Amino acid sequence: AIQMTQSPSSLSASVGDRVTITCRASQDIRNDLGWFQQKPGKAPMLLIYSASILQSGVPSRFSGGGSGTDFTLTISSLQPEDFATYYCLQDHNYLALTFGGGTKVEIK
Amino acid sequence: EVQLVESGGGLVQPGGSRRLSCAASGFTFSRYWMHWVRQAPGKGLVWVARLKPDGTGTDYADSVKGRFTISRDNAKNTLSLQMNSLRAEDTAVYYCARGIYGHSGIDYWGQGTLVTVS
Repeated sequence: AIQMTQSPSSLSASVGDRVTITCRASQDIRNDLGWFQQKPGKAPMLLIYSASILQSGVPSRFSGGGSGTDFTLTISSLQPEDFATYYCLQDHNYLALTFGGGTKVEIK
Repeated sequence: EVQLVESGGGLVQPGGSRRLSCAASGFTFSRYWMHWVRQAPGKGLVWVARLKPDGTGTDYADSVKGRFTISRDNAKNTLSLQMNSLRAEDTAVYYCARGIYGHSGIDYWGQGTLVTVS
């Protein structure tokens, strides 16, 4: 199974900060990666798919990059509503999708 | 508007069974792969199973293979998850999720239903 290692597991940031979250795959997954945002008690919401394609309706301050084994999710200017937990998901091995462990973004 | 509404969660004893359902609306259900994903209390997301649009192909996580069965009724726009031989470690919120059309990822999620094995 493909392992997804997400870092950091948590971070503290202020409104307006630029934030970058990293996901590393245990093998080459090309660009078969998505990013999700989850707020407490809520379902996850898709932000990015195919590593860099912004889902419809998602603010442009979110961007994704990378290919192969190393990927990033960047929030260019953190907003109050962005404090949440973020997960990556590889769908390269579509027989067994795997999520990263999550990154909790907290208010500094 | 895409809507996915899960039901069927509750308290079940170890070794018992439970059937979850997901009612889909707002899209052509029969054209999409569908998935189940779970999240144990305070933990991360774990993919459980997926099902081909016509219901003929399934894939499962190793942790549930042989115990869980994913199925669908395209006439009723309903996805199901039959869970047998339940264990304490199956305790989680179970989410129904839609596959991205023409892609192996996931886009829309339901609100989830909690299954407690105790």
